[in-house]
Amino acid sequence: RKEVEQDPGPFNVPEGATVAFNCTYSNSASQSFFWYRQDCRKEPKLLMSVYSSGNEDGRFTAQLNRASQYISLLIRDSKLSDSATYLCVVNLNNAGNMLTFGGGTRLMVKP
Amino acid sequence: DAGVTQSPTHLIKTRGQQVTLRCSPKSGHDTVSWYQQALGQGPQFIFQYYEEEERQRGNFPDRFSGHQFPNYSSELNVNALLLGDSALYLCASSSPRTGTNEKLFFGSGTQLSVL
Repeated sequence: RKEVEQDPGPFNVPEGATVAFNCTYSNSASQSFFWYRQDCRKEPKLLMSVYSSGNEDGRFTAQLNRASQYISLLIRDSKLSDSATYLCVVNLNNAGNMLTFGGGTRLMVKP
Repeated sequence: DAGVTQSPTHLIKTRGQQVTLRCSPKSGHDTVSWYQQALGQGPQFIFQYYEEEERQRGNFPDRFSGHQFPNYSSELNVNALLLGDSALYLCASSSPRTGTNEKLFFGSGTQLSVL
């Protein structure tokens, strides 16, 4: 089993749709969680941190379910510019900042 | 404010050769992490440097080594290149002193092709 696992997609959705991605992680003691966005042939960029109580940033909502060891990302009112790969990132052993990335979920928003 | 810079942007090598990649962290950052990203996969952690020492290491062979300089810049060296080393090599900087310890800022990467 991979330490951080994501559905690779692609998720093909029309503009304006709501789409959700899940990610599972292996270490129940993990404390820090993030979503990064990576555009084609570009570097990953931090999208948002994921807090225990859940958090929202505009059209993006991130949630953590510790009991089931998964985090989720919800995107409302999808825009064409949301097309990218979304990387789930976990600090699995809480040692420094050795972050473990999932394989990424590819999203394609179509007109 | 310069972000993370990496050089070169592209590199072509043959099997058995050695390569050195370079990274300058974002201003104010003192920690550099290196990642390898194969096509269609997520970045894989190679190692991390802080205070000129390797602090953490991922599951990569000794052919992968690095160095950090007093100005916080870093190099990644790969010896005896294999075809499977072809990938995008990403450098990320952060700083525990500024509360961004876990928030990585990435450079645009070096695309290494091994023929």
